[in-house]
Amino acid sequence: GESVGLHLPTLSVQEGDNSIINCAYSNSASDYFIWYKQESGKGPQFIIDIRSNMDKRQGQRVTVLLNKTVKHLSLQIAATQPGDSAVYFCAESRGYQKVTFGTGTKLQVIP
Amino acid sequence: DADVTQTPRNRITKTGKRIMLECSQTKGHDRMYWYRQDPGLGLQLIYYSFDVKDINKGEISDGYSVSRQAQAKFSLSLESAIPNQTALYFCATSDWTGGVSNTGELFFGEGSRLTVL
Repeated sequence: GESVGLHLPTLSVQEGDNSIINCAYSNSASDYFIWYKQESGKGPQFIIDIRSNMDKRQGQRVTVLLNKTVKHLSLQIAATQPGDSAVYFCAESRGYQKVTFGTGTKLQVIP
Repeated sequence: DADVTQTPRNRITKTGKRIMLECSQTKGHDRMYWYRQDPGLGLQLIYYSFDVKDINKGEISDGYSVSRQAQAKFSLSLESAIPNQTALYFCATSDWTGGVSNTGELFFGEGSRLTVL
C-alpha cells in the first residue's frame, strides 16, 4: 500500500551547517513529491516540490533530491538558521490525486 | 484575513456528542481536504473533495462525515465523538490540475484542536 516514512524523528544541527532530512516512500507509482514545514501551532507550509521525471530541484537555500531506484527523497537546507527549526514532512501523490504525508522529522537548530 | 479559515479553533466535548468543524476558503480553489494530526505523527487524510459534487474517503474516514456546501465551504462532522478522535484537525485547499505551471501545494488553515473527554 501507499506509505511515506522518515528515517529520523529528530535532527539537531548547528546553526550555519547544512541539514539533510530523509524520506522513504513505498509506492513506486508515486509521481509527485512535496516537502512541507510545520512550525509550532501552525499549519504546514509548502517548501518545494519535485516531479518523478526529475532527480533534483533547487529553491532558495533548499534542494530536493529524488532517487526513484531506491524510492528515497531528501531535503537539503543550506546554512541552517534558527528560523528553520520546525517539523518537516515529505508528502507524495500519484496521478494528481490525494496527497499522503509521512510522519515528520523535527529539526532543531543549535545556536 | 486568512485564506483558509477553520472554526472552532479549539473545542472540548464529551463522548457521544456530535461535533462539526467548519472550513471556509477565499482562494477560489476547487479541491478541499480534511486531515487529522496526532502528536508526533504525520497528517492522515480523512476526506477530500475535488469539486462540490465530489466527495472521497481518505485513509481514516470511519467515524467521520463531510459536507461540501459550496466551493468555498467544507465541513467535517463527528456524529458521535469518542476519545481517540482527540486530535488536531486541518483543512486544506488546492487548485492542482497537474499542469506544468501548476503545483500540488496544499494551503492549510490554522487547525482545529478537538478534545473528546
